[in-house]
Amino acid sequence: GAVVSQHPSWVICKSGTSVKIECRSLDFQATTMFWYRQFPKQSLMLMATSNEGSKATYEQGVEKDKFLINHASLTLSTLTVTSAHPEDSSFYICSIRGIGYTFGSGTRLTVV
Amino acid sequence: DAKTTQPPSMDCAEGRAANLPCNHSTISGNEYVYWYRQIHSQGPQYIIHGLKNNETNEMASLIITEDRKSSTLILPHATLRDTAVYYCIVALSGGSNYKLTFGKGTLLTVNP
Repeated sequence: GAVVSQHPSWVICKSGTSVKIECRSLDFQATTMFWYRQFPKQSLMLMATSNEGSKATYEQGVEKDKFLINHASLTLSTLTVTSAHPEDSSFYICSIRGIGYTFGSGTRLTVV
Repeated sequence: DAKTTQPPSMDCAEGRAANLPCNHSTISGNEYVYWYRQIHSQGPQYIIHGLKNNETNEMASLIITEDRKSSTLILPHATLRDTAVYYCIVALSGGSNYKLTFGKGTLLTVNP
């Protein structure tokens, strides 16, 4: 299957700053990528669908101006958490749609 | 909303078969059954998927009932490293609605 690299694996940032998370498809041209968020002891919640060359589609309740998604190439999608607050602390996971789904290893974001 | 029902937790002895059930009574004719697992603080890992026939790969077997309203994931010889949350997901195989929606999954604990 496809190989997905997500970076960074963990990040700590100050409240009010922005954080960028990268998701790379290493061996597959992914026209569609997905971003999930997972709070402790909860399941993965789909945040948005990222389509190469077009605007992302956000799930209901996800603020598109706060979670900026850029999918400028077939191998890279980025999620930027803007003006981060402690409640944004979570585990963020990307996924690509190729032959089935492949997930990144996740990014643990802690906002202090 | 997730369209599957799984027991919240199960235990299994190391070396024995682990049988994880999943109910998906509202599955439509063109939806597949996917199984993923998530080891703590990692991204989900693909296990197996099927439409209506039983499937087997190097990781597991998938048994789907004839009416497709339920399925069972079988790990033939569970090891301690199989301890994880297992997610059963139904989804289309293509098109704009091809996205994975996670339920709460089953926490499988393999005991020595």
